[in-house]
This record gives sequence, C-alpha cells and structure tokens, in this order.
Amino acid sequence: SAVISQKPSRDICQRGTSLTIQCQVDSQVTMMFWYRQQPGQSLTLIATANQGSEATYESGFVIDKFPISRPNLTFSTLTVSNMSPEDSSIYLCSGLDGVSYEQYFGPGTRLTVT
Amino acid sequence: AQSVTQPDIHITVSEGASLELRCNYSYGATPYLFWYVQSPGQGLQLLLKYFSGDTLVQGIKGFEAEFKRSQSSFNLRKPSVHWSDAAEYFCAVGATEGANNLFFGTGTRLTVIP
Repeated sequence: SAVISQKPSRDICQRGTSLTIQCQVDSQVTMMFWYRQQPGQSLTLIATANQGSEATYESGFVIDKFPISRPNLTFSTLTVSNMSPEDSSIYLCSGLDGVSYEQYFGPGTRLTVT
Repeated sequence: AQSVTQPDIHITVSEGASLELRCNYSYGATPYLFWYVQSPGQGLQLLLKYFSGDTLVQGIKGFEAEFKRSQSSFNLRKPSVHWSDAAEYFCAVGATEGANNLFFGTGTRLTVIP
C-alpha cells in the first residue's frame, strides 16, 4: 500500500491570505486527488490532480480558488486562495493504486481561517 | 449519479458486543464499494472493499461486510468490538470504471463503552 504524507498538518491563517498544502506519495500511484472535509461532515472531492496538466475540478470548485499542481507522479500541491472562514476544513490528499483500485489517504491538513 | 447513505450518525456499543453499521448506495451499475475508518486526528484507513465475486468480504481488524444487490446495501459488521474501534466510519462508492471518483457517506461515529 502507498504511504501518503501531507504538510503542514495544521495551520491557522488570516482571511484573504493563501495556503499551499503539499502531498507526497512514497510510491507511484496512477491518480491523485484532493478532498475537503468540512467540520462534522463527510469528504467531498475537490479535484483530480493530473500530472503535467491542469487538474480536473468537481462542480462547485474552481481553479482560481483551488489551484492544484502535480509536477510528477508522487507529488502534488493544493493552494487555498483568498481564504475566508468558510474555507476552514480538513483537506486530504489521496492516491489511487491503479492495480488494486484502492485509494490511500494522507493524514489531512486542518485549516482554520480567522 | 452515485450517492451513499449512512442512516446512523452515531452508534454506541459495549466492548465485546457485536456491531453492524449500515450503508446504502445508489448507482446504476455494479459499484466499487469501500469502508474506511478515521480515527481522531488521523487520515482514512481502508478497512475493506468489494468489486465483484463473493458478496461477503473480509477486511482488516476483524471487520467484514456483505454486499446485497437487492437491497443496495453494503453493511459493515464485527462480531466483537474492541475499545480501539471507536472512530468514524465512512462508506464510499466508486465508479466501476476505476473507482477513481469516490462518493462518501456522511459517516457513522462509533463510541465503545467499557
């Protein structure tokens, strides 16, 4: 199974600023994803991070607000831009094993916007 | 479109008692089904999955789940709960074509009392 790390693990940010979250996978995965987990709620897929090209965003999420990069097979970043308190959530990265079709998740980044 | 319903928001069981967490899904074709567990402050860990074949699947930590197509259900069970099983449990469904886009239920929080 893949081991996925994220940093930072948590952060407290001011309204209007941006935060970049990093995700590192210890082995190659075919696909990488970013999810948001709002307080007390389930996970919602933000986008699929595509290697070397623009991410594929789900309905309700846009590139200007959540720019994503994936320069290689094992690394991706998510930026939360121009933050507001409504962006306070846990952001999770995941990787898909293309053989087992299992998704492995990172520990998450807990973001608080004040 | 896929959707997942976990009817029980919170369940409390005594240590050593049996457990069943309910999950109902909506999907037009045969789904990829998953159960994940999230301990406080941790990422999601895959407990088990169902893609095809035997409808009773075994997972880690003594968990099992049964796929019932007629009921569109994929309930998670454990014969004897341990205090360390206290966590949030998420059922998820993925598209058959690769399970790359997971739709999560709202989760069931399990409390274990001694």
